Amino acid sequence: DIVLTQSPTTLSVTPGETVSLSCRASHSIGTNLHWYQQKTNESPRLLIKYASQSISGIPSRFSASGSGTDFTLNINNVEFDDVSSYFCQQTQSWPRTFGGGTKLELK
Amino acid sequence: EVQLVESGGGLVQPGRSLKLSCAASGFTFSNYYMAWVRQAPKKGLEWVATISTSGSRTYYPDSVKGRFTISRDNAKSSLYLQMNSLKSEDTATYYCASDPPFAYWGQGTLVTVSS
Repeated sequence: DIVLTQSPTTLSVTPGETVSLSCRASHSIGTNLHWYQQKTNESPRLLIKYASQSISGIPSRFSASGSGTDFTLNINNVEFDDVSSYFCQQTQSWPRTFGGGTKLELK
Repeated sequence: EVQLVESGGGLVQPGRSLKLSCAASGFTFSNYYMAWVRQAPKKGLEWVATISTSGSRTYYPDSVKGRFTISRDNAKSSLYLQMNSLKSEDTATYYCASDPPFAYWGQGTLVTVSS
């Protein structure tokens, strides 16, 4: 199975900061990596697909990059509304796997 | 507007069965692979099953293989998950989602396995 390791587990930031969240795969997955946002008591929402492709309706302050085993989700000018957990997920191979998540908190 | 509405969750005893349903609307259901994803309380996300557009191919992780069965009815734009031999560790909110990636999500239905 492909293991996705996200870091950090928790990130505490000040509004307006720019942050980077990491997702590392145990094996190369090309660009078959997707990012999701989940707010408390809500369903997850797709933020970025295939490592860097933007999703309609997602604010432009969310961007992502990477390929192979190392991936990054960037959030520019963090807002209060961005307080959420963020998960990466791979579709390179079965079983589909998720990272453990990064919880974004605001100071 | 895309909508996925799950139903069928509830409290069930260990070893018993439960069937979840997901009603889809707002997109061409028959063109999409569909999946179930679960989330145990205060935990992360876990993929549970995926089914191809025609239903001819299904995929499961080892944790549910042989116990869970995903199926679909394209005429009714509906997705199902038959869960047998339920265990306490199956306790979670179950989401249906389009696949891949998981672009559309339902609101989830809670399954609690407890005696």
